[in-house]
Amino acid sequence: EVQLVESGGGLVQPGRSLRLSCTASGFTFGDYAMSWVRQAPGKGLEWVGFIRSKAYGGTTEYAASVKGRFTISRDDSRSVAYLQMNSLKNEDTDVYYCTRENGGYSINWGQGTLVTVSS
Amino acid sequence: QPVLTQSPSASASLGASVKLTCTLSRGHSSSAIAWHQQRPEKGPRFLMNLNSDGSHTKGDGIPDRFSGSSSGAERYLTISSLQSEDEADYYCQTWGTGIRVFGGGTKLTVL
Repeated sequence: EVQLVESGGGLVQPGRSLRLSCTASGFTFGDYAMSWVRQAPGKGLEWVGFIRSKAYGGTTEYAASVKGRFTISRDDSRSVAYLQMNSLKNEDTDVYYCTRENGGYSINWGQGTLVTVSS
Repeated sequence: QPVLTQSPSASASLGASVKLTCTLSRGHSSSAIAWHQQRPEKGPRFLMNLNSDGSHTKGDGIPDRFSGSSSGAERYLTISSLQSEDEADYYCQTWGTGIRVFGGGTKLTVL
């Protein structure tokens, strides 16, 4: 069974940093692109970014709203994807989901982790 | 960059059928999409991917009551024999090189 478990969320002050982790199991992690998607309370889904598998260069892409502040990385030996969030703003307050991708779309989702940016 | 348009809400009676629509923006009418379901207070769940010719592949454990179809720039999700557990938000997603896009979602109420 595929499982994606996000961790690392919490309360953080504006301007500070936070790193989220996504621990995967049930599939060969290194074979898949992994993405992050966020959702503000009561709002829709917003794509944050994704990282390609090493077979496709392990490169990353980001939404314009987070480019330059957020960085996605992966550790295939540990089956973990990371989302490093710097210079956090109040509007980054969201539930953050990790997803496994297949050809561009998300086929598995984690349960999400809440990030609250507030002073 | 593709844009996906969904009606904000839909409703149908228990046991009936409902057809939700996701419309692709100009220039992207041949793109494939994916449908996701998000029940209240839960994370999203992948339902199916749907091609422009209407062929689709469902996720593990998705009931036969869920099906997809296409017409031009429109992609549909049909849910038959509606059950109370189908009351949820439904999102479509598409993708391109280096980008992923979600529709605004449709909130389905089962009456």
